[in-house]
Amino acid sequence: DAGVTQSPTHLIKTRGQQVTLRCSPKSGHDTVSWYQQALGQGPQFIFQYYEEEERQRGNFPDRFSGHQFPNYSSELNVNALLLGDSALYLCASSFPDRGWNTEAFFGQGTRLTVV
Amino acid sequence: DQQVKQNSPSLSVQEGRISILNCDYTNSMFDYFLWYKKYPAEGPTFLISISSIKDKNEDGRFTVFLNKSAKHLSLHIVPSQPGDSAVYFCAAGTYKYIFGTGTRLKVLA
Repeated sequence: DAGVTQSPTHLIKTRGQQVTLRCSPKSGHDTVSWYQQALGQGPQFIFQYYEEEERQRGNFPDRFSGHQFPNYSSELNVNALLLGDSALYLCASSFPDRGWNTEAFFGQGTRLTVV
Repeated sequence: DQQVKQNSPSLSVQEGRISILNCDYTNSMFDYFLWYKKYPAEGPTFLISISSIKDKNEDGRFTVFLNKSAKHLSLHIVPSQPGDSAVYFCAAGTYKYIFGTGTRLKVLA
């Protein structure tokens, strides 16, 4: 059973460019969340998608946007990249069949470097 | 404002002994708490969770304790093994998780 998979694993972009990161959730999971982890920090919640809609959003600017497809996979888009966007971007999937208190499973992350 | 805090950035423990990792939170509305382990170049791996209606949850060598009045939770690992060496994050919330900054555990052989 494949877990959460993310692509690409590493990416280098120039300031001002746009980037798209991809995530396939664990089999059977329908909810995808995105997190940003800066060096030395814990992951910070960006947003969550459920039934192809953004359900929750963290404290991130509109430059960060996302999408969920009918097969539950998801994309994270970041426009007008800043140096401070350099981080590990983590995707997590879950299946809240017991209500919303359920563990999320994380992918290995995409390391984004903005130069 | 850091709603979930892990005040110990690092911890070293001898193999076979108990590891205790601590976490404090400020938001009394949090009703679900989790611990994740992270190795370098990998995503966080779920370890154990606890609902706010409980004060203890065990899974093998891992036990999580929740003290709601103190807004404090802890993870006990007994006995500690060298393979437990990793960064441990506590997280809290519903729908979305608020993570602490992590504690790096080193288990010495």
